[in-house]
Amino acid sequence: AQTVTQSQPEMSVQEAETVTLSCTYDTSESDYYLFWYKQPPSRQMILVIRQEAYKQQNATENRFSVNFQKAAKSFSLKISDSQLGDAAMYFCAYRSAWSGNQFYFGTGTSLTVIP
Amino acid sequence: EPEVTQTPSHQVTQMGQEVILRCVPISNHLYFYWYRQILGQKVEFLVSFYNNEISEKSEIFDDQFSVERPDGSNFTLKIRSTKLEDSAMYFCASSGTSGGQETQYFGPGTRLLVL
Repeated sequence: AQTVTQSQPEMSVQEAETVTLSCTYDTSESDYYLFWYKQPPSRQMILVIRQEAYKQQNATENRFSVNFQKAAKSFSLKISDSQLGDAAMYFCAYRSAWSGNQFYFGTGTSLTVIP
Repeated sequence: EPEVTQTPSHQVTQMGQEVILRCVPISNHLYFYWYRQILGQKVEFLVSFYNNEISEKSEIFDDQFSVERPDGSNFTLKIRSTKLEDSAMYFCASSGTSGGQETQYFGPGTRLLVL
């Protein structure tokens, strides 16, 4: 089975600063999807950004961008101009393009935003 | 914006009792999922459901678990005889048709406590 590793259990960032959350994964597949989800204290997981493995261009969504390094199997999330509302648990997730629909999640990174 | 909803938000039950967790997926979605998150641990896949049958299940999803789509809108997870270790947050998710099935949208979760 695929594994997803988030090596930073906790991170903190000053408001308006930039923070990068790391994620690595292990797979033998060449075609897959990667996701970052945000889980605020209200507990509902919200999609932040997704990346298709076949695309070389890094995905961006407003203040959120990824650094996708396929050869290194790395998928980090950069949050620019951090806001208090960005405080949450962030999960990295992997989904195969061909062998099933299930998501494989990392253990999460708890992000604190300091005013 | 359409959302996945789940009821109840919290449920407390005695060990050995049956519980049914309910989900209303996004209306035009065709793929449905259940995940669970034991406190402090990663989100784990339980089962996926498509075309009125289970399409994938994990080793966690044993004979004590079942899923059903009793009508055109609800998707349920039943635990026949709850155990203490079933205490967790249970998330329902849904995804769309072939053009968008890669992204799963999650509900707010049901927190199940087995005493």
